[in-house]
Amino acid sequence: SQKIEQNSEALNIQEGKTATLTCNYTNYSPAYLQWYRQDPGRGPVFLLLIRENEKEKRKERLKVTFDTTLKQSLFHITASQPADSATYLCALPNNFNKFYFGSGTKLNVKP
Amino acid sequence: EAGVAQSPRYKIIEKRQSVAFWCNPISGHATLYWYQQILGQGPKLLIQFQNNGVVDDSQLPKDRFSAERLKGVDSTLKIQPAKLEDSAVYLCASSLGRNMNTEAFFGQGTRLTVV
Repeated sequence: SQKIEQNSEALNIQEGKTATLTCNYTNYSPAYLQWYRQDPGRGPVFLLLIRENEKEKRKERLKVTFDTTLKQSLFHITASQPADSATYLCALPNNFNKFYFGSGTKLNVKP
Repeated sequence: EAGVAQSPRYKIIEKRQSVAFWCNPISGHATLYWYQQILGQGPKLLIQFQNNGVVDDSQLPKDRFSAERLKGVDSTLKIQPAKLEDSAVYLCASSLGRNMNTEAFFGQGTRLTVV
């Protein structure tokens, strides 16, 4: 089965810095990968989708990269703000198109 | 545009009791998902519907969990009888596309506590 690894330790950074979160996966290489944001007591909110033929995708202060050789996606938030504090989840399908989520990384942006 | 609606928000039951959750997806979304999220973990897919047909239910504990999507719109998820390990947040999501290569919209979830 697909195994997804996200850093379980919280990432603490200072406001204004760039936050970089990592998503590593094993086994099947997916055709696409998604990143979601989840706030306490809320459902995940979709942020970005990147396909295997796209090396990088941007949306405002967000940037996602997808390295199918390393089996890794990096999620960057530039000029981070305290409002960016949340848990960030990566999600990707296996070869049967069943969708798996990572356990998420909690980001704390300090003012 | 209205989002995915779920009810109730919270539920506390004793073990061996039954419980039901309700989900109203975004209008026009053909695909509906139920996820279980245990504290500190990512969401785990329980069942996926395409209209009113089941696409995947391989991770649904069928001895105690059941789900239906009548008329391809609203859906209910039932647990009978509940166990302590069923304590979790149950999330409903919907998407336009057949699978998750399109954006999925999640409801706020139902937090279930089994005591």
